[in-house]
Amino acid sequence: RKEVEQDPGPFNVPEGATVAFNCTYSNSASQSFFWYRQDCRKEPKLLMSVYSSGNEDGRFTAQLNRASQYISLLIRDSKLSDSATYLCVVNTNYGQNFVFGPGTRLSVLP
Amino acid sequence: EPEVTQTPSHQVTQMGQEVILRCVPISNHLYFYWYRQILGQKVEFLVSFYNNEISEKSEIFDDQFSVERPDGSNFTLKIRSTKLEDSAMYFCASSDSGELAGQETQYFGPGTRLLVL
Repeated sequence: RKEVEQDPGPFNVPEGATVAFNCTYSNSASQSFFWYRQDCRKEPKLLMSVYSSGNEDGRFTAQLNRASQYISLLIRDSKLSDSATYLCVVNTNYGQNFVFGPGTRLSVLP
Repeated sequence: EPEVTQTPSHQVTQMGQEVILRCVPISNHLYFYWYRQILGQKVEFLVSFYNNEISEKSEIFDDQFSVERPDGSNFTLKIRSTKLEDSAMYFCASSDSGELAGQETQYFGPGTRLLVL
């Protein structure tokens, strides 16, 4: 089983739609979780950290379910500028080995 | 806003040649990383560096790879004898200490696109 798995995508949604991304991780000892976005041929940029209680930042909501080893990202009222690849990132222990998922590509269409 | 910088942005080299990729992390950061991303594939962790030594490395980071912080600002990745399969985008990242180990936010540089012919 791969360490971090994500919806294969791509997701093509109209502007204003709500879209949800799912991510699962295999290492139950994983301690920290993040969502990054990556535009084509650019570096990953942190979107948000994911906390146990769940957290929200504007139109973005992240949830963590440790029992199911599952992380989600919800984007409400999607904008054209949200088009990117969304990367789920897991830190597998207290060290600095951050494991990236393969990413899910989102295209928001006018 | 402070940012991670990388040079060169692109490098083309012949198989078997040595390359050095350079990074200037954010100045007050303590942890430094190298990742690579082969075209169309996921970002892969190579190595992390803290307190002037490697703290973790992946299976990809074999004896052909080395990292160095030669002065107070630069962080370099050297590939001793490049192979065709080393062609990829190489990202440097840095982070501060964070409240808990593993909670650090990583900031990525724009990457160096390496092409091995």
